Amino acid sequence: DTGVSQDPRHKITKRGQNVTFRCDPISEHNRLYWYRQTLGQGPEFLTYFQNEAQLEKSRLLSDRFSAERPKGSFSTLEIQRTEQGDSAMYLCASSLAVGQGAGETQYFGPGTRLLVL
Amino acid sequence: KNQVEQSPQSLIILEGKNCTLQCNYTVSPFSNLRWYKQDTGRGPVSLTIMTFSENTKSNGRYTATLDADTKQSSLHITASQLSDSASYICVVSARTGTASKLTFGTGTRLQVTL
Repeated sequence: DTGVSQDPRHKITKRGQNVTFRCDPISEHNRLYWYRQTLGQGPEFLTYFQNEAQLEKSRLLSDRFSAERPKGSFSTLEIQRTEQGDSAMYLCASSLAVGQGAGETQYFGPGTRLLVL
Repeated sequence: KNQVEQSPQSLIILEGKNCTLQCNYTVSPFSNLRWYKQDTGRGPVSLTIMTFSENTKSNGRYTATLDADTKQSSLHITASQLSDSASYICVVSARTGTASKLTFGTGTRLQVTL
């Protein structure tokens, strides 16, 4: 257990429905990342926050995806009008970045596995 | 384009045997390289981290090496145990301003059998 929690752990939904996932990072961590991982592949970066500010979004993050971190603590990732291609594991990670630091260790949550029927 | 390639894609070994996993990367500017262990259905967990100046790092039965000149890394597992069965992912961090940009390999799926 890394200290990062995600909820739910599993989600099955029908195509066209909206889903929302939650991530609770390690409490003192200022950065929070979302990744998507499909079977047999490594995680792919989606977006990240420094405190409550969303600083970067991948081109993988279509306009059906939105992420928030309103108080700089927990974060939510919403997928609207889900498609079968959205089926994947959605991983959250958090880290403590000092200054402009890059390359700090990211601690991953257990992931939310989404299946879109 | 930053890339991380791992080999083999999968590996089956007998319990108690040693094995070595390989990682080649083209990531620039290089910050550090990590090996993660990912159990099925779980998030990745960091095993080792190495910066440019480090060429070996151990964590129990896991020993990682880094050759920054050839841009290669290896993860050696000694005296394997059934609990070592997992995916091992090589992750390279690029020093790109304020973003901790990670490039993930696709992983090596290790299965340790009796």
